Amino acid sequence: GQQVMQIPQYQHVQEGEDFTTYCNSSTTLSNIQWYKQRPGGHPVFLIQLVKSGEVKKQKRLTFQFGEAKKNSSLHITATQTTDVGTYFCAGSSGAGSYQLTFGKGTKLSVIP
Amino acid sequence: DVKVTQSSRYLVKRTGEKVFLECVQDMDHENMFWYRQDPGLGLRLIYFSYDVKMKEKGDIPEGYSVSREKKERFSLILESASTNQTSMYLCASRGWGNNQPQHFGDGTRLSIL
Repeated sequence: GQQVMQIPQYQHVQEGEDFTTYCNSSTTLSNIQWYKQRPGGHPVFLIQLVKSGEVKKQKRLTFQFGEAKKNSSLHITATQTTDVGTYFCAGSSGAGSYQLTFGKGTKLSVIP
Repeated sequence: DVKVTQSSRYLVKRTGEKVFLECVQDMDHENMFWYRQDPGLGLRLIYFSYDVKMKEKGDIPEGYSVSREKKERFSLILESASTNQTSMYLCASRGWGNNQPQHFGDGTRLSIL
């Protein structure tokens, strides 16, 4: 079955440093979604990427979808304490697929 | 805003009990999902439903069943609870099409003693 690998599992950064998490799929994806889960909270949808090579930005967050549609990344510039949480990528393999396959997440800690 | 409501935030049950976790969504979504979340393992799909009375197994269905008698409600059933089912359970709903985001409930932290 489809697998989505996400690294690193944990990342500790000093406030103001940059942060990146990477996802790799064993199969070509039709789209990839990113979610953020704050401590004690539930996953909240951030963004979806659909096109090969797509890049989207949300303020300090930059999301990329690889040319082969098998990998993706989330980059945060100048982290803030409000960025703390676990970031998940989730991939879908096709138009007829109901499922999202989630990566295991990257837990980000920001040291003030 | 989409609202996904899970019946309990915390639940403690005993081994062998039959446990019901309820989830209700208010957006007329066709698709509903049950996940469990464990440290280091991420979100694992237990079951999903794409329509009333329809259900499909996810990645880890063993020991669980589901019920979807009404569109807005999706129930997860632990037939005979065991300690290895102690976990955080998350329900999600999604509109039609796999390019739609999933909306999650607050989760139920279930402890089986």
